[in-house]
Amino acid sequence: DTEVTQTPKHLVMGMTNKKSLKCEQHMGHRAMYWYKQKAKKPPELMFVYSYEKLSINESVPSRFSPECPNSSLLNLHLHALQPEDSALYLCASSQEGNPGTDTQYFGPGTRLTVL
Amino acid sequence: LAKTTQPISMDSYEGQEVNITCSHNNIATNDYITWYQQFPSQGPRFIIQGYKTKVTNEVASLFIPADRKSSTLSLPRVSLSDTAVYYCLVGDPGGYQKVTFGTGTKLQVIP
Repeated sequence: DTEVTQTPKHLVMGMTNKKSLKCEQHMGHRAMYWYKQKAKKPPELMFVYSYEKLSINESVPSRFSPECPNSSLLNLHLHALQPEDSALYLCASSQEGNPGTDTQYFGPGTRLTVL
Repeated sequence: LAKTTQPISMDSYEGQEVNITCSHNNIATNDYITWYQQFPSQGPRFIIQGYKTKVTNEVASLFIPADRKSSTLSLPRVSLSDTAVYYCLVGDPGGYQKVTFGTGTKLQVIP
């Protein structure tokens, strides 16, 4: 199984809402990632979890809160988002925790719209 | 942090070989070069990775000159299904450092 799954596929939320994005992998990978991708732009790394510990936080605003309950699951909790946070949120996993050289397996993403 | 530059877009006819170049002038000694493919509304998919000279797998080849300041992804005999955005990524295996995808090249394969 080389699949990374993400739910929901689409999410529309208001600026005062609290919602969560979920990601799951069953490849035995020890690292999981969150990326943000705006239209016609490359993915931007947000967070890296390695062995269930947050190893990279790319100065992401606190309205985004990651959580790694176990090595197969990754959540992104959203609160008080702004319209400019609307984007495709991608989850990825890899064997270790180095996004520079690990082969990353990406999920299909969650398309988030903030009204 | 190596900054990468790619052509914005390329067109090619079906059956032709396509070469997409990525420029990374300030690549560090330990950096590797990785290429990903992304279709609309999907996550990127790993294509190939290399450090120097030439790497080949079942879908592509990667050419890296001796100075490593650029790299070229070569797709043999492209088909319509190869229409996608291709990203290069330069990163260091030695630590948990920020990595940045290149700007991406939109390849349009024409029948």
